[in-house]
Amino acid sequence: EAQVTQNPRYLITVTGKKLTVTCSQNMNHEYMSWYRQDPGLGLRQIYYSMNVEVTDKGDVPEGYKVSRKEKRNFPLILESPSPNQTSLYFCASSGAAASYEQYFGPGTRLTVT
Amino acid sequence: AQKVTQAQTEISVVEKEDVTLDCVYETRDTTYYLFWYKQPPSGELVFLIRRNSFDEQNEISGRYSWNFQKSTSSFNFTITASQVVDSAVYFCALTNSGGYQKVTFGIGTKLQVIP
Repeated sequence: EAQVTQNPRYLITVTGKKLTVTCSQNMNHEYMSWYRQDPGLGLRQIYYSMNVEVTDKGDVPEGYKVSRKEKRNFPLILESPSPNQTSLYFCASSGAAASYEQYFGPGTRLTVT
Repeated sequence: AQKVTQAQTEISVVEKEDVTLDCVYETRDTTYYLFWYKQPPSGELVFLIRRNSFDEQNEISGRYSWNFQKSTSSFNFTITASQVVDSAVYFCALTNSGGYQKVTFGIGTKLQVIP
């Protein structure tokens, strides 16, 4: 089954404790992206990757890191999480570029206390 | 910079009514792509439609239709004879086809269909 998986689905952590949210897709997609969803703000792009070792900032990259060492994986790293990073996070992938439809993961609800 | 505006944050309609969700976009690119996604109460995001900037034909898929007008920079979505299952948050999104490939979403329109 074609899918995007994210782990964990739910996470409660404390300020400053490094965490990684994993994202994996099995569709051989080149484009992958991370978004955060906040009430009243919609979906905002954090980082995206057009291929292995090619990443770029979205609109809200501060406080996040990403890496793309393999085509299928695109982890999101919060090296020192803060309460304002409490949000619902979605990973997505699409065929060759952002101009194709995106397939979204189920979301990760992160709470930073 | 690109921008997507969904001015209607919440809409309520009675079942079987028609409803139109507005989407206005801004971009300096001549080649761009517009999308609509649906997020039902269960939370997943589901692709509905993709349209490129050179294709202004309206599209109909069952009870759903989309009206793309470059002259007004709008890509509106109409649901005909709404049903309770249409209750969801609907997002409009924009991207280009150039060197950078940011995707910009609107803030979404929450549609509630009342039985």
